[in-house]
Amino acid sequence: DQQVKQNSPSLSVQEGRISILNCDYTNSMFDYFLWYKKYPAEGPTFLISISSIKDKNEDGRFTVFLNKSAKHLSLHIVPSQPGDSAVYFCAARQGGSNYKLTFGKGTLLTVNP
Amino acid sequence: EAGVVQSPRYKIIEKKQPVAFWCNPISGHNTLYWYRQNLGQGPELLIRYENEEAVDDSQLPKDRFSAERLKGVDSTLKIQPAELGDSAVYLCASSLVGGKYTFGSGTRLTVV
Repeated sequence: DQQVKQNSPSLSVQEGRISILNCDYTNSMFDYFLWYKKYPAEGPTFLISISSIKDKNEDGRFTVFLNKSAKHLSLHIVPSQPGDSAVYFCAARQGGSNYKLTFGKGTLLTVNP
Repeated sequence: EAGVVQSPRYKIIEKKQPVAFWCNPISGHNTLYWYRQNLGQGPELLIRYENEEAVDDSQLPKDRFSAERLKGVDSTLKIQPAELGDSAVYLCASSLVGGKYTFGSGTRLTVV
């Protein structure tokens, strides 16, 4: 049972345009969400996060939106750059002292010059 | 600041052989995690340590996997004997308690 779902295995966008990566979750106990970026042969690196008490968090070109009622979050990258090409993982953490992250399967983003 | 260091980067072994992975976390990070990432999947937690104590090993296949974190710093993850299905990337991560993870580059294991 996948508690964090990234239904798009891949996404291709043109440089300068917006990239939107989507993530859905089923566990209502999740209260903190993160996006990680992974290049080949490297470990995932933290990109941006959002607490369940917020509906938006912005950091430079990256914005994460959270819709709790729909159990849906999205990552927007504007403008997209070729260096953004990577696999993006959505992850969620339960409240309390359980710091385990549950990851989605990832979305491969390709930004074309 | 040095990141999370893992070794080896790659390992190819025959099935039924033992294998061990090593992780050196970021200095001062008392929480250490081992995750396994199968091809086309996201990372899945195997075990979490708070200092020397394994506080969550519910996902660790204990018949063949073992882990230790001596002195609350470095950690090793062992598989004995390895099976074909163990082929995956094994990721180590560390954090302060409740803090954001920093992942290592992982060890890619291929069992033939």
